[in-house]
Amino acid sequence: DIQMTQSPSTLSPSVGDRVTFTCRASQNIGTWLAWYQQRPGTAPKLLIYDASSLQSGVPSRFSGSGSGTEFTLTISSLQPDDFATYYCQHYDSSPYAFGQGTKLEIK
Amino acid sequence: QVQLQESGPGLVKPSETLSLTCTVSGGSISTYYWSWIRQPPGKGLEWVGYIFYTGNTNYNPSLKSRVTISVDTSEKQFSLKLSSVTAADTAVYYCARHSSHSSSFDNWGQGILVTVSS
Repeated sequence: DIQMTQSPSTLSPSVGDRVTFTCRASQNIGTWLAWYQQRPGTAPKLLIYDASSLQSGVPSRFSGSGSGTEFTLTISSLQPDDFATYYCQHYDSSPYAFGQGTKLEIK
Repeated sequence: QVQLQESGPGLVKPSETLSLTCTVSGGSISTYYWSWIRQPPGKGLEWVGYIFYTGNTNYNPSLKSRVTISVDTSEKQFSLKLSSVTAADTAVYYCARHSSHSSSFDNWGQGILVTVSS
């Protein structure tokens, strides 16, 4: 099975900061990777699919990059609404798996 | 805009079977894959399994011996059964639709908390 590892587990940036999350796969997954945002008490929301494609309706300050085993999600200028937990997910092969998440905390 | 809604008991006794249903509205159940994903309180996300509208299924091997997912296209519903539950199966269970162009999940239900306790 492919394992997904996210780092760091928490971040405490300020509004307006550029924020980067990292996700690593235990083996080559090409670009079969998605990123989600989850606010407390709500379902995850798809932000990025196929590693770098922006889901319809998602603000352009979110971007994704990477291929193979290393991926990043970047928020170009952090907004108050962005404080949440972010998960990566691979869909290269079954079983699909998520990373453990990176939580953005208000500084 | 498609909407998904989970329903079922919020409390299940140990060793019994957890049964949930996801109802799809505002869109077609056909031509899509549909998944169940769960999240224990305070923890991360775990994919449980998926079903295609034709009935083809794929389950997470970690749960495969206990999981059954079925679909009723006439009712626009798909269902999850998880047998022999323990406290470790306590989680928020989400149903989700696979994107039309990938197996990312582009639409989710609001989730239902299922607690396993006597």
